[in-house]
Amino acid sequence: KAGVTQTPRYLIKTRGQQVTLSCSPISGHRSVSWYQQTPGQGLQFLFEYFSETQRNKGNFPGRFSGRQFSNSRSEMNVSTLELGDSALYLCASSLQDRRETQYFGPGTRLLVL
Amino acid sequence: EDQVTQSPEALRLQEGESSSLNCSYTVSGLRGLFWYRQDPGKGPEFLFTLYSAGEEKEKERLKATLTKKESFLHITAPKPEDSATYLCAVQASYGGSQGNLIFGKGTKLSVKP
Repeated sequence: KAGVTQTPRYLIKTRGQQVTLSCSPISGHRSVSWYQQTPGQGLQFLFEYFSETQRNKGNFPGRFSGRQFSNSRSEMNVSTLELGDSALYLCASSLQDRRETQYFGPGTRLLVL
Repeated sequence: EDQVTQSPEALRLQEGESSSLNCSYTVSGLRGLFWYRQDPGKGPEFLFTLYSAGEEKEKERLKATLTKKESFLHITAPKPEDSATYLCAVQASYGGSQGNLIFGKGTKLSVKP
């Protein structure tokens, strides 16, 4: 069974731009969670989607948003990029609920210049 | 506040030299404790889930144990391919972060041949 896939793998943007990242969960998984990983803060929860609805949100500004499609694929968007948004963005999928075991994708490394 | 502390931050071992990684936590009712392994440039790879004090799980050279305040990841006779960052995460049963994965900063393990 194929794992979680994320595209693109690497991205370079400049301050003020916006970016969209994509995540395809494991087949049959309906819950998708997004995390930001930085050397200073480690892994931090951004939000979770299930059945095209955001079920939970971490402590991030409104510039961070997401959505989920009917096939469970998910996208996250960051608007008005700041230098501090440079990070590895990870997507994780689980069967029905983020409280179940979450399986991570390889991540998208975003560099904001 | 729910939090996870991992120690040591970095650990260097010789091949065959057994050791333990520590994960101490404070959480609003532990729903589950998770161990992941992360290789450079990749997403975290799921290793174990522990749910209650006294529980143990094993996989090859790794053994995870859980008490009411901490978890240990024991590595027996490690090999160079065990080199990675090991992440510990907890899920709370209730409270504001209920269900979210709260990660520690990780322990970076290097095993020299």
